[in-house]
Amino acid sequence: SQKIEQNSEALNIQEGKTATLTCNYTNYSPAYLQWYRQDPGRGPVFLLLIRENEKEKRKERLKVTFDTTLKQSLFHITASQPADSATYLCALDVNAGNNRKLIWGLGTSLAVNP
Amino acid sequence: DAGVIQSPRHEVTEMGQEVTLRCKPISGHDYLFWYRQTMMRGLELLIYFNNNVPIDDSGMPEDRFSAKMPNASFSTLKIQPSEPRDSAVYFCASTPNRAHNEQFFGPGTRLTVL
Repeated sequence: SQKIEQNSEALNIQEGKTATLTCNYTNYSPAYLQWYRQDPGRGPVFLLLIRENEKEKRKERLKVTFDTTLKQSLFHITASQPADSATYLCALDVNAGNNRKLIWGLGTSLAVNP
Repeated sequence: DAGVIQSPRHEVTEMGQEVTLRCKPISGHDYLFWYRQTMMRGLELLIYFNNNVPIDDSGMPEDRFSAKMPNASFSTLKIQPSEPRDSAVYFCASTPNRAHNEQFFGPGTRLTVL
């Protein structure tokens, strides 16, 4: 069956440390993988996109890796801050028939403690 | 830019009643998506439109759900009759074109069916 999994347990880290979140999938062949941030009571906000032929993408303190052999993406936040506390969602951009759609993980809750 | 606008933000209704959720996408965006989010199932795509035409409604759970987009600036998602299991947060998102991958989400409508 097709699945997309993220760390189910909340991640608690100390301010200044690097947070690493995992997104694993099975039986999909995504052209792209996206990461979004969601704060309580709000809609998801786009952070980064990585293509299937890219190994790594960076944006300020954020880094995403994409291993299509392992079927895994890692999302890193370096020098983490309490303001980074949120739920982070990964989404696979897949072809479904003639249409493309995003398939979403359940998200990982991150808490950065001061 | 005001972003994607959804109304109402909260809706509490009784089982059997009709519910209508509304969305105004970002001006100039050709694609509009309706999602449902629950703790157990995460974000699920219900339906999406391209240039006001429904493209993929395979995620619509059953005939009780219907969606329309009468013009480029307005869409509705209707549930009739509503059931307690429809309780969730419903998000509308838009994107300029299919080559543009990032989706812009509205604030969501929290629906509670008693």
